[in-house]
Amino acid sequence: GQNIDQPTEMTATEGAIVQINCTYQTSGFNGLFWYQQHAGEAPTFLSYNVLDGLEEKGRFSSFLSRSKGYSYLLLKELQMKDSASYLCAVLDSNYQLIWGAGTKLIIKP
Amino acid sequence: GAVVSQHPSWVICKSGTSVKIECRSLDFQATTMFWYRQFPKQSLMLMATSNEGSKATYEQGVEKDKFLINHASLTLSTLTVTSAHPEDSSFYICSARGWTSGGPRETQYFGPGTRLLVL
Repeated sequence: GQNIDQPTEMTATEGAIVQINCTYQTSGFNGLFWYQQHAGEAPTFLSYNVLDGLEEKGRFSSFLSRSKGYSYLLLKELQMKDSASYLCAVLDSNYQLIWGAGTKLIIKP
Repeated sequence: GAVVSQHPSWVICKSGTSVKIECRSLDFQATTMFWYRQFPKQSLMLMATSNEGSKATYEQGVEKDKFLINHASLTLSTLTVTSAHPEDSSFYICSARGWTSGGPRETQYFGPGTRLLVL
């Protein structure tokens, strides 16, 4: 079966750095996405990785290792507005998005 | 970035009525559109997938006669909740997948969602 695993909840302090991990087992791989979802809102696109390595975009970076079936989202200089759920999703061989359950990130002052 | 619009954003209706929700990809052609439902504090739940001009594929447990999906064009899909009941009250989110200029291939973008409250 297909499976995406990520922690249910994480807590971090304002100004700090947090890394949200995602491991996956899917039938084929055509890229991995990270989305941010604030409570009561639809998800918004953060990043897309299809090749191994680190993609940096401002305070957010996303890393992928295809051989390990592993990705992480790194958030630096955390702000209170970063409190949200972060969804990991993998595009499988049929170009279907397989979703993780999401990681709720709580930022404390 | 790519934009997906969804209308209406809020619906309050009486039990037994039908509600139509529209989803449009504004600046790209969506090869596939998806409809999700999300209950409070729960994950997104895929309801159905639709390709333009063909019948939608429904996920297990989703009644296709109750949730009618029409994918009329590469930029428009509609979800009609027929004979809505209070248990259908939820946050409905559409998503459109396509390739936008300058963006990663086959990225999936989300509409802002529609809150449905059935009294």
